[in-house]
Amino acid sequence: AQTVTQSQPEMSVQEAETVTLSCTYDTSESDYYLFWYKQPPSRQMILVIRQEAYKQQNATENRFSVNFQKAAKSFSLKISDSQLGDAAMYFCASRDYGQNFVFGPGTRLSVLP
Amino acid sequence: ETGVTQSPTHLIKTRGQQVTLRCSSQSGHNTVSWYQQALGQGPQFIFQYYREEENGRGNFPPRFSGLQFPNYSSELNVNALELDDSALYLCASSLDVLSGDTQYFGPGTRLTVL
Repeated sequence: AQTVTQSQPEMSVQEAETVTLSCTYDTSESDYYLFWYKQPPSRQMILVIRQEAYKQQNATENRFSVNFQKAAKSFSLKISDSQLGDAAMYFCASRDYGQNFVFGPGTRLSVLP
Repeated sequence: ETGVTQSPTHLIKTRGQQVTLRCSSQSGHNTVSWYQQALGQGPQFIFQYYREEENGRGNFPPRFSGLQFPNYSSELNVNALELDDSALYLCASSLDVLSGDTQYFGPGTRLTVL
């Protein structure tokens, strides 16, 4: 069974600074997908970034990038040049091929002006 | 291209009642999953439908049931509501269950059970 752990219940960052959110996971599969979702107070889950486990290159999406360490089963999210609109709950999720998503408990990110 | 929509936005029920929540998938998506998100927690998988058939189920009792229609819209039904059923219910659609593709979430239905 898949498990996803986020060890930081809350994080804060100064506007324009960089912050890294941690995520570890466990799966017995060799082929799987990892995701970071953002859930602002409006509550709609928004995909931030997606990583396919067979790709060694770390995914990037504008100011968002990941550090994917497959052997360590670690999948951290780096947010550069943080903006006030980045404040939200961030969920790390994994999905084995053809299976369903397993979400971590989330990290609440505050952005300080 | 329309996104995932859910109705109603909010719902208040009393213990023992039954409720039906609705979801309209993103255009072209044949797979829909339902999640329960308790306050302050991550979403928990309830079940998934692929081309009108249940394709997987999480650790939820049989009083949680679902349907997917030929147009790929979906319903979540909960019978004999309990206080612990109070949560945000999210549906998410994806292009194809086999592809491992990204799921796109709706805005959710907030259910309160009194």
